[in-house]
Amino acid sequence: DQQVKQNSPSLSVQEGRISILNCDYTNSMFDYFLWYKKYPAEGPTFLISISSIKDKNEDGRFTVFLNKSAKHLSLHIVPSQPGDSAVYFCAASSQGQGAQKLVFGQGTRLTINP
Amino acid sequence: GAGVSQTPSNKVTEKGKYVELRCDPISGHTALYWYRQSLGQGPEFLIYFQGTGAADDSGLPNDRFFAVRPEGSVSTLKIQRTERGDSAVYLCASSLTAGGNTIYFGEGSWLTVV
Repeated sequence: DQQVKQNSPSLSVQEGRISILNCDYTNSMFDYFLWYKKYPAEGPTFLISISSIKDKNEDGRFTVFLNKSAKHLSLHIVPSQPGDSAVYFCAASSQGQGAQKLVFGQGTRLTINP
Repeated sequence: GAGVSQTPSNKVTEKGKYVELRCDPISGHTALYWYRQSLGQGPEFLIYFQGTGAADDSGLPNDRFFAVRPEGSVSTLKIQRTERGDSAVYLCASSLTAGGNTIYFGEGSWLTVV
């Protein structure tokens, strides 16, 4: 029972272009969503988050969009840079059940080509 | 150190042996989490501590897995009678308090059961 799904295992984007990573969830109790970035042999690093009361959150080159009716969120990176090449995980939690228990997707490997 | 520290970084053990994995959270963080990441998957929640007590251990797969945090800082994840299916990266994370705070991950302990 995969409650958080990232259906694209990999994505390749040209440097300078926009990278769009997608994530779908099934549990309507989820109300807090996060994106993590992971380099090889390192732990996941927090990127950006969004609460269900918002539909957009922006931080520099990173923007997360949330569509609650579709149970879908996306991460936009613009412009993409070679250092953005990593595995990206989306994660979700329910504040009512304690935001400490994150449910992760399977990850999308992003490759930025020079 | 400034980040979450985990030891050992790599552990190879024989099937049936006992293993301990250690986590030293960020100083001052009261909440500590253990996650497990298998190849090609996202991290899966195992257990969460608030202070010394296990607030939620619902992710522990069976009674061979146990974790302690006796003084509210360092935590040890203990696995008895290891099986080949236990092979994974075990990630520890901490946050200032539980709920709504950024969770910071360590680099993980890669366990291989042969």
